[in-house]
Amino acid sequence: EDKVVQSPLSLVVHEGDTVTLNCSYEVTNFRSLLWYKQEKKAPTFLFMLTSSGIEKKSGRLSSILDKKELFSILNITATQTGDSAIYLCAGMKTSYDKVIFGPGTSLSVIP
Amino acid sequence: SAVISQKPSRDICQRGTSLTIQCQVDSQVTMMFWYRQQPGQSLTLIATANQGSEATYESGFVIDKFPISRPNLTFSTLTVSNMSPEDSSIYLCSVEEGLSNEKLFFGSGTQLSVL
Repeated sequence: EDKVVQSPLSLVVHEGDTVTLNCSYEVTNFRSLLWYKQEKKAPTFLFMLTSSGIEKKSGRLSSILDKKELFSILNITATQTGDSAIYLCAGMKTSYDKVIFGPGTSLSVIP
Repeated sequence: SAVISQKPSRDICQRGTSLTIQCQVDSQVTMMFWYRQQPGQSLTLIATANQGSEATYESGFVIDKFPISRPNLTFSTLTVSNMSPEDSSIYLCSVEEGLSNEKLFFGSGTQLSVL
């Protein structure tokens, strides 16, 4: 059965800290790994990863995929209170483009 | 990315009633997806809506409870029928984008509370 596991499930850090969020996956017919930030209702797209070892960056956020170890990380440097959110990791399959979501990591950044 | 409008944004409903959620996309898309996120849980796919054919439902979801319409390539509705408090969730529509549809984007979501 396909599954996506994230760790930690929740995290509290101080502003300025660097955090690493983990995502491991077992997804048959794997196509891509997706990261989202969910602050209220709608998840907003962060990254799509398809190849191992190629880091994607957007400002203070970066992510990388290891297709051999079936693992991805999301790094956030110099965290700000606006980074407080749930971060979702998801695996997209090639078959019918189905997406399997992990449970999310709830990040709280305190001043 | 496509602009995906969803309404209502939130609603409070009585047990036994039905609610229809609308999703409008500003471009034509082949597939639209409906997800549910129960409190404290992650996203679960309810069904895939294709224009011109019956929606494809995931295990645990049935058409009688969650009827879906897809009248054209920019619009879809999801109805939550005969609601119970267990249906209290965030409901999200989504579409694929990217050169080969490798990314999933979401509408603004509907927060449903059933009393």
